[in-house]
Amino acid sequence: DGGITQSPKYLFRKEGQNVTLSCEQNLNHDAMYWYRQDPGQGLRLIYYSQIVNDFQKGDIAEGYSVSREKKESFPLTVTSAQKNPTAFYLCASNRGYGYTFGSGTRLTVV
Amino acid sequence: GENVEQHPSTLSVQEGDSAVIKCTYSDSASNYFPWYKQELGKGPQLIIDIRSNVGEKKDQRIAVTLNKTAKHFSLHITETQPEDSAVYFCAASRSVLNAGGTSYGKLTFGQGTILTVHP
Repeated sequence: DGGITQSPKYLFRKEGQNVTLSCEQNLNHDAMYWYRQDPGQGLRLIYYSQIVNDFQKGDIAEGYSVSREKKESFPLTVTSAQKNPTAFYLCASNRGYGYTFGSGTRLTVV
Repeated sequence: GENVEQHPSTLSVQEGDSAVIKCTYSDSASNYFPWYKQELGKGPQLIIDIRSNVGEKKDQRIAVTLNKTAKHFSLHITETQPEDSAVYFCAASRSVLNAGGTSYGKLTFGQGTILTVHP
């Protein structure tokens, strides 16, 4: 079945450490997105990519980085510059209009 | 850019009652309006959507209405059940072209509504 796979489901980060969240899709979608969700909050756009080897900053890109070397993959790195990284991270993709979301990664700073 | 406002932020109803969630958008060029349901610890799932050339769409107990003139759209859930309890997000998008010439929509989401259905 086609879909989006996010891994890991849970991730723990130590202070000053970079971590990478994986997002893979087999839907043949051109566009991919990363959102951050804090408890009781909406979805805030971090980065998005419309096509391979191209990506744009969203509303809260500071402290994050991405790459889009393959159509299927859009990994997100949470760098040590992100001072409050504890959140639920969602990856999504689309080709037409509607988004398909992954199941999310919960990142916690320890 | 597009701005989507969603109300109410929380909604509590008794099982069997109806629930209505409303959203307004700012960009008159927006032409696609989906609704997503998010259960605890999971990613949002598309439950219904509507395009700007349609005023209403229904799927069993769920319906969405769109008023383009007023730039608002609403989600209606009838005969609510406890399993309808979740966070609901509205969104709006307009068509854009990527560098490869493919048309797609980049969604702007509302703030979400926590719906609780009491048995």
